[in-house]
Amino acid sequence: DAKTTQPPSMDCAEGRAANLPCNHSTISGNEYVYWYRQIHSQGPQYIIHGLKNNETNEMASLIITEDRKSSTLILPHATLRDTAVYYCIVRTLNTGTASKLTFGTGTRLQVTL
Amino acid sequence: DGGITQSPKYLFRKEGQNVTLSCEQNLNHDAMYWYRQDPGQGLRLIYYSQIVNDFQKGDIAEGYSVSREKKESFPLTVTSAQKNPTAFYLCASSPYEAGNYGYTFGSGTRLTVV
Repeated sequence: DAKTTQPPSMDCAEGRAANLPCNHSTISGNEYVYWYRQIHSQGPQYIIHGLKNNETNEMASLIITEDRKSSTLILPHATLRDTAVYYCIVRTLNTGTASKLTFGTGTRLQVTL
Repeated sequence: DGGITQSPKYLFRKEGQNVTLSCEQNLNHDAMYWYRQDPGQGLRLIYYSQIVNDFQKGDIAEGYSVSREKKESFPLTVTSAQKNPTAFYLCASSPYEAGNYGYTFGSGTRLTVV
């Protein structure tokens, strides 16, 4: 699986958009980009995933560059409850087999008043 | 509600004792996983199972054992051979075609060995 690089920490004011970058320059054509987040002392929570098109759901938007070497997770109106560690993961979808996910150290997002 | 239940939330054991962590899911997922997390670190894969009665070692399997006798259950035993067992343990599950949502995680068990 391709390696990802994320900044170790970021701050964001409540109500503003939080833009979390991820570099995955060695991504291959059949690898998806997944984002999870982990609030302190809880299990990680799935946020969103995409292949090459931009994606949006009720939690966030995912913007993937045209060359797919980087992506940005956007939380449009960050709240204090969005304070968490955010993990960017690149993984091939293997139909019929277990999909092992490899978690790096992620980005610690601190949302402040 | 469907989900994954890990119990207990906190566990204290004396050094040298084996301890078993419970993980149960009612999501009808085929695959289950155990991860370990140390303070300030990412998650590391211990064991995973794709189907009943089958499991594979992950990246840090030494000192751990698992079983998968039922689809719903994937208990993890931390044996006395594990040199540094104090950690946060997370169980997860996924359907075979894990494309849409990837993993569903439990809320974790924090094991402290004294």
